[in-house]
Amino acid sequence: EPEVTQTPSHQVTQMGQEVILRCVPISNHLYFYWYRQILGQKVEFLVSFYNNEISEKSEIFDDQFSVERPDGSNFTLKIRSTKLEDSAMYFCASSEFGGSSYNEQFFGPGTRLTVL
Amino acid sequence: AQTVTQSQPEMSVQEAETVTLSCTYDTSESDYYLFWYKQPPSRQMILVIRQEAYKQQNATENRFSVNFQKAAKSFSLKISDSQLGDAAMYFCAYRSEYGGSQGNLIFGKGTKLSVKP
Repeated sequence: EPEVTQTPSHQVTQMGQEVILRCVPISNHLYFYWYRQILGQKVEFLVSFYNNEISEKSEIFDDQFSVERPDGSNFTLKIRSTKLEDSAMYFCASSEFGGSSYNEQFFGPGTRLTVL
Repeated sequence: AQTVTQSQPEMSVQEAETVTLSCTYDTSESDYYLFWYKQPPSRQMILVIRQEAYKQQNATENRFSVNFQKAAKSFSLKISDSQLGDAAMYFCAYRSEYGGSQGNLIFGKGTKLSVKP
């Protein structure tokens, strides 16, 4: 069964460094999402992406964040200058459809980002 | 803004017994979707069950069923005949039908379910 994959599973970085989190969505999916979960808190929506552009973003997704689909298979989340509060589990998700009721989002296993 | 609340951080159930996980939500919208996702340890979140708000009938998927009370804004998950493989974190989630949303989900904090043999 097709799955969303994410690499790396755990990333440790120094404050102020740039990180790129990678995701490979399911191949026929058109809608892509990033969520994050700070330890002990809720899973929060960051951004949705469709047709090579951002569809929607939350207040969390400020200028330090960017997303890209560089090669038609990968979907990346870049954090330009990491802060301590960026430490979280980051989940990628994809879906075949967008706003319809058949919009089942398939999630990856997550990347745990630790900022020191 | 919509919110989702799961008031039970942890629950425990004996194998073969039934357990109910609670979820309440707050919204001013009339059309929306509700979901329960399961996240086993170190594994992906997978969709367990979904409910469209316009449907009065409660959704059922094998041993999983929901009790959807729209007026009370309540969406509980019942797991019957619990199995060891049901042990996981369970997330309740809301999705709006409006606003040009591409379907982003609003999650609760999750309930960690343990199943005792």
